[in-house]
Amino acid sequence: DAGVIQSPRHEVTEMGQEVTLRCKPISGHNSLFWYRQTMMRGLELLIYFNNNVPIDDSGMPEDRFSAKMPNASFSTLKIQPSEPRDSAVYFCASSSTHQAFFGQGTRLTVV
Amino acid sequence: AQSVTQLGSHVSVSEGALVLLRCNYSSSVPPYLFWYVQYPNQGLQLLLKYTSAATLVKGINGFEAEFKKSETSFHLTKPSAHMSDAAEYFCAVSGGGSQGNLIFGKGTKLSVKP
Repeated sequence: DAGVIQSPRHEVTEMGQEVTLRCKPISGHNSLFWYRQTMMRGLELLIYFNNNVPIDDSGMPEDRFSAKMPNASFSTLKIQPSEPRDSAVYFCASSSTHQAFFGQGTRLTVV
Repeated sequence: AQSVTQLGSHVSVSEGALVLLRCNYSSSVPPYLFWYVQYPNQGLQLLLKYTSAATLVKGINGFEAEFKKSETSFHLTKPSAHMSDAAEYFCAVSGGGSQGNLIFGKGTKLSVKP
């Protein structure tokens, strides 16, 4: 298995633009997590899905952030409109039992 | 609610010296505990995990951790540091269940001096 695949690896966008981050979890994993990593706040859980259903989105910072999981093999995290303070590395992870596997992350820079 | 505290944001050791990275947890249910390692510009990789079996857990790259319920600790150790161990290490707790979300500590950056 190729592991958790995130795209793009790097994204630079202008403030106000819409940004969509993509994630393909490991086949057979039924939980998917989106995390954000910054120097100031460390690793924060934004949202997680179980069997494609959002279970806990309390970590989503504000309404500008939305996440979907239309099927077991794909998820998106959208920021609209983006702001400079959204600049961070966004990680997707998937798990089956007791172990989360992380993607390489998307480094987002909003200028 | 679960939480994790990692003591020391930076730890520096000499090559060949003992590595000790500290982690204390808080959990209202029997926890599952994890240590992850992150190399620069990489994702997180699982080092080891505790899931209520043996309290001394051995992981990859010679690391191990001991679950101590009385101290609510799960410290990570390695007898002899290698230069390649330089990375950031994260302790995480899950509230149990197979798909519980992980709550991470702030991380400890390990430097290894030649």
